[in-house]
Amino acid sequence: QVQLQESGPGLVKPSETLSLTCTVSGGSISSYYWSWIRQPPGKGLEWIGYIYYSGSTNYNPSLKSRVTISVDTSKNQFSLKLSSVTAADTAVYYCARETVVVVAATHQGVWFDPWGQGTLVTVSS
Amino acid sequence: QSVLTQPPSVSAAPGQKVTISCSGSSSNIGNNYVSWYQQLPGTAPKLLIYENNKRPSGIPDRFSGSKSGTSATLGITGLQTGDEADYYCGTWDSSLSAGRVFGTGTKVTVL
Repeated sequence: QVQLQESGPGLVKPSETLSLTCTVSGGSISSYYWSWIRQPPGKGLEWIGYIYYSGSTNYNPSLKSRVTISVDTSKNQFSLKLSSVTAADTAVYYCARETVVVVAATHQGVWFDPWGQGTLVTVSS
Repeated sequence: QSVLTQPPSVSAAPGQKVTISCSGSSSNIGNNYVSWYQQLPGTAPKLLIYENNKRPSGIPDRFSGSKSGTSATLGITGLQTGDEADYYCGTWDSSLSAGRVFGTGTKVTVL
């Protein structure tokens, strides 16, 4: 079955750019949406953004000015860049496959499955 | 803060049943499908329920989902010590440009 694995530095300095990659194995990255989700220590889940295999993206408005998500279909990978990080960006970052169903313009569904194991990124000097 | 509200914690003895509520509005739960996730300590969330009440392959039927109006409910019957975890609801919010929202999360404790 499809498995996801995050990779990247676990420590980033304030004001620098956080960069993570998610490698998809056991299946193709094509024909799906792929999301990044984060969870600050002891807190809930926050959706960061998604990329469709074709390259189209959508980001959480609260992070949109700092986020870039890209895809490399030849490597079955997608990546996250978050610029100008602060301590508030310290979190476990997860990648996940996203499924979207549209029944009507005002009746939709979205769920995330599977998820990567997550990687803790700490922002500190 | 999240647009989906869950109780911070629920608890019950082994073998009993617990229910977890997820309260929203017409722009999210009221008109869209709800999903539920289980997050065991130190692990990534796992999908339990999608499209309000469907279980992915491998999820036992002790877990069930339902929706009424602008609220959704996750039920767990035959509670086991291994069910002790955080549970999150999720849905689409039509009033948000990005659409994707999670609940505040509920800690289930097995007494």
